[in-house]
Amino acid sequence: EIVMTQSPATLSVSPGERATLSCRASQSVSSNLAWYQQKPGQAPRLLIYAASTRATDIPARFSGSGSGTDFTLTISSLQSEDFAVYYCQQYNDWPPLTFGGGTKVAIK
Amino acid sequence: QVQVVESGGGVVQPGTSLRLSCAASGFVFSRYGMHWVRQAPGKGLEWAASVSLDGSNKYYAKSVEGRFTISRDNSNNLLYLDMNSLRAEDTAVYFCARDPSPIRPYYFDSWGRGTLVTVSS
Repeated sequence: EIVMTQSPATLSVSPGERATLSCRASQSVSSNLAWYQQKPGQAPRLLIYAASTRATDIPARFSGSGSGTDFTLTISSLQSEDFAVYYCQQYNDWPPLTFGGGTKVAIK
Repeated sequence: QVQVVESGGGVVQPGTSLRLSCAASGFVFSRYGMHWVRQAPGKGLEWAASVSLDGSNKYYAKSVEGRFTISRDNSNNLLYLDMNSLRAEDTAVYFCARDPSPIRPYYFDSWGRGTLVTVSS
């Protein structure tokens, strides 16, 4: 089973600043990685797939990078609606499909 | 638009059974793999089960294998999760999610709002 590790657990950022979230896989997942955003009481929303491709209607301030074992989600200028929990998920080796533990982006 | 709506959650006792349903609309259901993903209260996301386009291939997390069964009814655009021998650790919100790949499990591009299952005596 591929273990996904996200860091930091909580990231405190001021509106308008850049946020950089990390996700590391226990073995290579090539570019088979997705990112999701989840707000309290809501379903997750797909942001990025194939490590760097934005999903439909996702703003350009969200970008993904990386391949192999190390990945990054960058939010270039945080808006109020971006404060949420973010999860990465690998789909290279399955079952199981596995998620990281999440990074909470909080208001500083 | 694409929509999936879960139902069937509730409070049940340990050792009992429950069936969750997911009604899909706004897309050709039979052309997409489907999944159940769960989230325990205050915890992260855990993939639980997947089913292929025609229902012939099914995959499960080890934590539910042998107790849960995923199935689908393409004629009525429905996805199911039959849960047996429920345990306290199965308490979670269960999300129905669509997979954009027709070939094998990938990721989840549309999600329902979830249905809460609470296993407690």
